[in-house]
Amino acid sequence: ETGVTQSPTHLIKTRGQQVTLRCSSQSGHNTVSWYQQALGQGPQFIFQYYREEENGRGNFPPRFSGLQFPNYSSELNVNALELDDSALYLCASGTGGIAGELFFGEGSRLTVL
Amino acid sequence: DQQVKQNSPSLSVQEGRISILNCDYTNSMFDYFLWYKKYPAEGPTFLISISSIKDKNEDGRFTVFLNKSAKHLSLHIVPSQPGDSAVYFCAASEAGRSNTGKLIFGQGTTLQVKP
Repeated sequence: ETGVTQSPTHLIKTRGQQVTLRCSSQSGHNTVSWYQQALGQGPQFIFQYYREEENGRGNFPPRFSGLQFPNYSSELNVNALELDDSALYLCASGTGGIAGELFFGEGSRLTVL
Repeated sequence: DQQVKQNSPSLSVQEGRISILNCDYTNSMFDYFLWYKKYPAEGPTFLISISSIKDKNEDGRFTVFLNKSAKHLSLHIVPSQPGDSAVYFCAASEAGRSNTGKLIFGQGTTLQVKP
């Protein structure tokens, strides 16, 4: 049990739609990172938020955006969904220290039809 | 451009024997390496890490070895137990970026430990 919860666990969208995924971090964790894991691949870094500001971004287009709130919750928003966006989306929280000290949620499985 | 590679998609080991999972990387700027374990329907959980200033780190049954000149690291599990059956991910972070939460993951190796 990592103390990181994500919702929804599964969802289905159609191409062109928008989706919001939610994450609740551990109390005291002031960073949240989002990762995309395609089938058979390792997680890929999307971006990280620290104290409600984006602090590092991977190779993802601007239609991937996020928010971090003061109550240790955060959101990942994806606009204009494409078929290739189908993946497991993982939220990870940490204290802003060494990268290894990340606590992952169970993920949200997104299917785009 | 796969900067972290786990070339063995799967590994099967008998209970009580040693499991060796391998990982190669290409980016010489990586200075911190980690192993995560993932069970089905769960998020990855941190297992063990090693800084580039060390060549070995041990935690109970788990030992990680780092060979910087070869850009290679390995995870040894001794003795292997059926509960170790999971997907293992190797990950790395770049120097000076360890606090950004940006980890570069390999593709994962599925370990099966047979009773």
